[in-house]
Amino acid sequence: DAGITQSPRHKVTETGTPVTLRCHQTENHRYMYWYRQDPGHGLRLIHYSYGVKDTDKGEVSDGYSVSRSKTEDFLLTLESATSSQTSVYFCATVGRDDSGYTFGSGTRLTVV
Amino acid sequence: EDQVTQSPEALRLQEGESSSLNCSYTVSGLRGLFWYRQDPGKGPEFLFTLYSAGEEKEKERLKATLTKKESFLHITAPKPEDSATYLCAVRKAAGNKLTFGGGTRVLVKP
Repeated sequence: DAGITQSPRHKVTETGTPVTLRCHQTENHRYMYWYRQDPGHGLRLIHYSYGVKDTDKGEVSDGYSVSRSKTEDFLLTLESATSSQTSVYFCATVGRDDSGYTFGSGTRLTVV
Repeated sequence: EDQVTQSPEALRLQEGESSSLNCSYTVSGLRGLFWYRQDPGKGPEFLFTLYSAGEEKEKERLKATLTKKESFLHITAPKPEDSATYLCAVRKAAGNKLTFGGGTRVLVKP
C-alpha cells in the first residue's frame, strides 16, 4: 500500500533461528501496529507503538519483540522462530484524521 | 474482554443477489467500528468507520449500518469483483488498538 512498505514479502526460515521483519512508513504517523493473520483466528495484535521507543504488547506477544528507533520504522523480531509462528504478518498505521488504519501488503513467513 | 464475531463465515452469491453480513460485538466504550475488504494475498483495505448507533455509510454497492450490539454490511446487487473477505473491527474508548472479527468470505458468481 502507498506509504507502508513491508519487507521481506516472503521468507522461509528454520526453527530456532532469529527473524526480523521490517515495516517502513512515509506518512510520519505516530501509531504503528504488528498483526498476524491465521486461518480460524483472523487478525490478532502482536505489538504496537505509540511513538519512538514507546511500545506495548498486544494479545499474542509471546515469542516476539519490537523496536522503534525512528518514526518511520517498526521492526518485529522473532528471537527463536517456531513452527507456530508460521503466519502472514501485517503492519498498520493510523493517521490523525481517523480515516482508517492503513495496512501494508504483508509478509508471509514459513518456519520449517 | 472485547469480542467481535462475524457471520456467516462464508457466503456464496449469484451476481445481483443482495445479502447482508453481520458483525456482532461486545466492547466497553466503543470508539469506532471499522469495515475492511481484503483480497487474497493483500492487506486489508479500509471501507468505513461508524461511530454511533443509527449511523450509516455507503460506498458503491456497499452500505454499513450500526446498532448498539452489531453492524451490518449490506451488499446490493453484487458483482463478481465484490468477491473478497470482509473484516470488521472495533476500537474501544481507551487506547488506539483494533480488535478484529474472523471475517466473512464472499464469493459472487456470474
